[in-house]
Amino acid sequence: EVQLVESGGGLVQRGGSLRLSCAASGFSFSSYWMHWVRQVPGKGPVWVSRINGDESTTTYAESLKGRFTISRDNAKNTLYLQMSSLRAEDTAVYYCAREVPFCGVYNWGQGTLVTVSS
Amino acid sequence: QSVLTQPPSASGTPGQRVTISCSGSTSNIGTNPVNWYQQLPGTAPKLLIYTNNQRPSGVPDRFSGSKSGTSASLAISGLQSEDEVDYYCAAWDDGLKGYVFGTGTKVSVL
Repeated sequence: EVQLVESGGGLVQRGGSLRLSCAASGFSFSSYWMHWVRQVPGKGPVWVSRINGDESTTTYAESLKGRFTISRDNAKNTLYLQMSSLRAEDTAVYYCAREVPFCGVYNWGQGTLVTVSS
Repeated sequence: QSVLTQPPSASGTPGQRVTISCSGSTSNIGTNPVNWYQQLPGTAPKLLIYTNNQRPSGVPDRFSGSKSGTSASLAISGLQSEDEVDYYCAAWDDGLKGYVFGTGTKVSVL
């Protein structure tokens, strides 16, 4: 069974940094593109970033370039999102997700809440 | 920020058929497959339809998807009370080089 478990969320001050983790299990982690998606409670999901299996290709939402960095450790089956210069508008639940070839974003974790205080 | 447009709400009585539209452009729906997600309150989105019209195992065949040009639709037939949640369409956008989601539709069962 595919499992994605996020951690690392919490309360952080404006301008601060935070690193989110996503522990993956139940599939060959290094073979899949992985994504981060965020969602403000009561609003729709917003795509953040994605990374391919060997970390050679990363893509970001234009508005987040330069502040967020996606990475992965295939030996640890873990996906990361390093967030810096955090703003109040970055407050959201952050989900990691697995992309299945020809099927799009398929599996989602349960999410971790990031709250940026002003 | 959503580039895919959905109606904010849709409704029907139990047993009825409800359809939700998703309007995009040539850079997203017009070129790439569409997924639909169902989201219960306080939980992560769950894949409902992938590649325009395919259902993951475990998804009832009451749910169906279709795509034509730069628009897509999700149909729920035999509407049930547990269908009263939020639905989002999504697709890759070649211009934005990102995955874009719809504005979301809340289904109500009257």
